[in-house]
Amino acid sequence: KAGVTQTPRYLIKTRGQQVTLSCSPISGHRSVSWYQQTPGQGLQFLFEYFSETQRNKGNFPGRFSGRQFSNSRSEMNVSTLELGDSALYLCASSLRPSLNTEAFFGQGTRLTVV
Amino acid sequence: AQSVTQLGSHVSVSEGALVLLRCNYSSSVPPYLFWYVQYPNQGLQLLLKYTSAATLVKGINGFEAEFKKSETSFHLTKPSAHMSDAAEYFCAVSEASGNKLVFGAGTILRVKS
Repeated sequence: KAGVTQTPRYLIKTRGQQVTLSCSPISGHRSVSWYQQTPGQGLQFLFEYFSETQRNKGNFPGRFSGRQFSNSRSEMNVSTLELGDSALYLCASSLRPSLNTEAFFGQGTRLTVV
Repeated sequence: AQSVTQLGSHVSVSEGALVLLRCNYSSSVPPYLFWYVQYPNQGLQLLLKYTSAATLVKGINGFEAEFKKSETSFHLTKPSAHMSDAAEYFCAVSEASGNKLVFGAGTILRVKS
């Protein structure tokens, strides 16, 4: 079965612009989480969605937002981009938001802000 | 809040040698622990997970990890390293509030021929 699909794979944006990243979870998975990966800060949790509701949010400014659609697909948006937002953004899907449920990761979207 | 510490940002071993990647966790409740591997320009792939069923957990590609509550550790081992094991490895703990993982800083494994 198809894995987690993230689009686009690579993106270059200018400071001040906004960007939208997309994540299609594995079929049947209803929980989607987003992570930011940078060399300096490592992997940091952004937010988690289940059944179109945000369940958890990490410690990121309000410029970072997300949503989940009825088909479980999720998007994250970053407004007023800063150079420090350059990172690999990873999406993970799982059947449900449970402690021991395996999370399957997509290949990520590499965002470069210039 | 839970946290994870991975000792050693870089580990280098010879092909065929033992691989040992260290992970210590901080958790006030019984933890759910995971090891993930990341190859260059790829996402994360689950190697194994501890969910309290057994303290010795076997994963994919010959890796295993032992949960030691007294040492709050969950070290990853593989008896014999292969060149294809060269990658970055992340230890993670699942937060009590759901599908949220807290990751360690990662360990880059280099395998020398």
